[in-house]
Amino acid sequence: EDQVTQSPEALRLQEGESSSLNCSYTVSGLRGLFWYRQDPGKGPEFLFTLYSAGEEKEKERLKATLTKKESFLHITAPKPEDSATYLCAVHHDYKLSFGAGTTVTVRA
Amino acid sequence: DAGVIQSPRHEVTEMGQEVTLRCKPISGHDYLFWYRQTMMRGLELLIYFNNNVPIDDSGMPEDRFSAKMPNASFSTLKIQPSEPRDSAVYFCASRIAGDGEQFFGPGTRLTVL
Repeated sequence: EDQVTQSPEALRLQEGESSSLNCSYTVSGLRGLFWYRQDPGKGPEFLFTLYSAGEEKEKERLKATLTKKESFLHITAPKPEDSATYLCAVHHDYKLSFGAGTTVTVRA
Repeated sequence: DAGVIQSPRHEVTEMGQEVTLRCKPISGHDYLFWYRQTMMRGLELLIYFNNNVPIDDSGMPEDRFSAKMPNASFSTLKIQPSEPRDSAVYFCASRIAGDGEQFFGPGTRLTVL
């Protein structure tokens, strides 16, 4: 069965303390891996799409990488405004399957 | 563009009542998706449409749930009769053809008492 697993479930960081989130997947026919950010009470907001192993994308303090079995979201020198739940999703069969998310809390 | 629009934003109803959730996708988007999000199960796909036609409804939990898309700018998700276990946040999302990202609406928080 296709599966998307994110770890850790929660991450508490001090401002400036860099870290990484993991998304591992077992899916056939991958057509892309997506990262979304979700703030409380809001819908998921698109961050990145990665299509092939070795690909990297960056946006401000965030950098996403992809291998054949997992993706990492690196947060460099985070700020309190980076606090959110980060969701990864795999695109296959014209649908997205989401992981459970990693809730990141950044303390000033 | 205003993005994906959902209404109502909050709905509180009693068990057994009919609930209708509404969605207006981004203009020009060919695909529309309905999701449900709960703490226990995360974000689950319920059904999606392509050019107003339902393509995959395998995620619809049971016959009490139904969805329609009468035209390219409007879709509804109906629950009849509603039950307390239907309490969740329901999201609508849309995207253009191809492998691009989905754009999500703000969601409808449904509480069934």
